[in-house]
Amino acid sequence: AQKVTQAQTEISVVEKEDVTLDCVYETRDTTYYLFWYKQPPSGELVFLIRRNSFDEQNEISGRYSWNFQKSTSSFNFTITASQVVDSAVYFCALSEAGANFGNEKLTFGTGTRLTIIP
Amino acid sequence: NAGVTQTPKFQVLKTGQSMTLQCAQDMNHNSMYWYRQDPGMGLRLIYYSASEGTTDKGEVPNGYNVSRLNKREFSLRLESAAPSQTSVYFCASSERLAGTSTDTQYFGPGTRLTVL
Repeated sequence: AQKVTQAQTEISVVEKEDVTLDCVYETRDTTYYLFWYKQPPSGELVFLIRRNSFDEQNEISGRYSWNFQKSTSSFNFTITASQVVDSAVYFCALSEAGANFGNEKLTFGTGTRLTIIP
Repeated sequence: NAGVTQTPKFQVLKTGQSMTLQCAQDMNHNSMYWYRQDPGMGLRLIYYSASEGTTDKGEVPNGYNVSRLNKREFSLRLESAAPSQTSVYFCASSERLAGTSTDTQYFGPGTRLTVL
């Protein structure tokens, strides 16, 4: 069974500080995918990134960066120079590769609520 | 291009009432999903539909039924609502990109349901 753990329930930082959100996963598959979603106060879920298990390169997108380490089963998300608009709940999720289209189970962590203090 | 839309946005029901949550996507995706989000539990899959004409149970299907009306629409029905079904419900759709072995799911804005 697959599992995603986001141990940080809530984090508060002052604007412009850097912050890292942790994500640890468990899976028996050798091929899997990891995702991050953002849920702002308005409630919708916004897709941020997807990585597959064969690509351990770190990724940077503007102020966002992701660190994928298979050795520790972690896929951490860092926001550099945080802004108030980054305040949201962030979810990490895991999907095992599916042989059949559309039947993959996307397992979510419980989320980390990030508050950026102006 | 509206993406995934859901109606209604908010709903209050009394125990035992029935209702249908509507979901539609305009991205021509084959797969669609229904999740519920409860405090401290993340999102849990209720039902999914890999393609038009097929539906399958997810992690928490009890008390729900679904209909994949056509490629665009996937509805979730509560036949006899219970307070335990108070939750935020999200619909999602996905498509398999060439050369990959999983989908990326895109979510609707959610429906906040309260059952009294």
